[in-house]
Amino acid sequence: GIQVEQSPPDLILQEGANSTLRCNFSDSVNNLQWFHQNPWGQLINLFYIPSGTKQNGRLSATTVATERYSLLYISSSQTTDSGVYFCAVGGGADGLTFGKGTHLIIQP
Amino acid sequence: GAGVSQSPSNKVTEKGKDVELRCDPISGHTALYWYRQRLGQGLEFLIYFQGNSAPDKSGLPSDRFSAERTGESVSTLTIQRTQQEDSAVYLCASWPGLWNQPQHFGDGTRLSIL
Repeated sequence: GIQVEQSPPDLILQEGANSTLRCNFSDSVNNLQWFHQNPWGQLINLFYIPSGTKQNGRLSATTVATERYSLLYISSSQTTDSGVYFCAVGGGADGLTFGKGTHLIIQP
Repeated sequence: GAGVSQSPSNKVTEKGKDVELRCDPISGHTALYWYRQRLGQGLEFLIYFQGNSAPDKSGLPSDRFSAERTGESVSTLTIQRTQQEDSAVYLCASWPGLWNQPQHFGDGTRLSIL
């Protein structure tokens, strides 16, 4: 099956810093989603981005499908950005395949 | 409701007991998924329902797990004779069946087996 690798596994930043999270995947995909799992365990949709670039406030994402990677950018980090960020690909009858996530801690 | 609803939100039970988890998808979403998330891990796909088609049960962890869905409505995930390794968060997602649309997740059921 398809493999999804996320980096870095852990990231600790000061409030106000910028960060880039990476997701590599092993095969072509027609669906890629970024999620934020908050400390309460809720999984929040950030982006549906199988290709191209999208922006939502301080967050943006870019997927280069031909090179099999996606990047999530967080600018001017806030403590509420803390949590685990997951990349997931695939879907349909096989469900989404998730990476192991990037655990982000934003310190005040 | 507006989102995917799961119940109960938390369940603590003794080893050997049966548990039933429920998922109410977003109205109009033809597809429904169950995932399992063990502590500190990513999500693991369990089973997929699409309309009235028979689901592929090969992703279920063992024969103690079963899942049902009536039409395009509520789904239940049942775990019989629970074991401690079944402790996890079980998440449900629904999808409108369109490739330009994402899956939407519920808040999950946190299952603890004593």
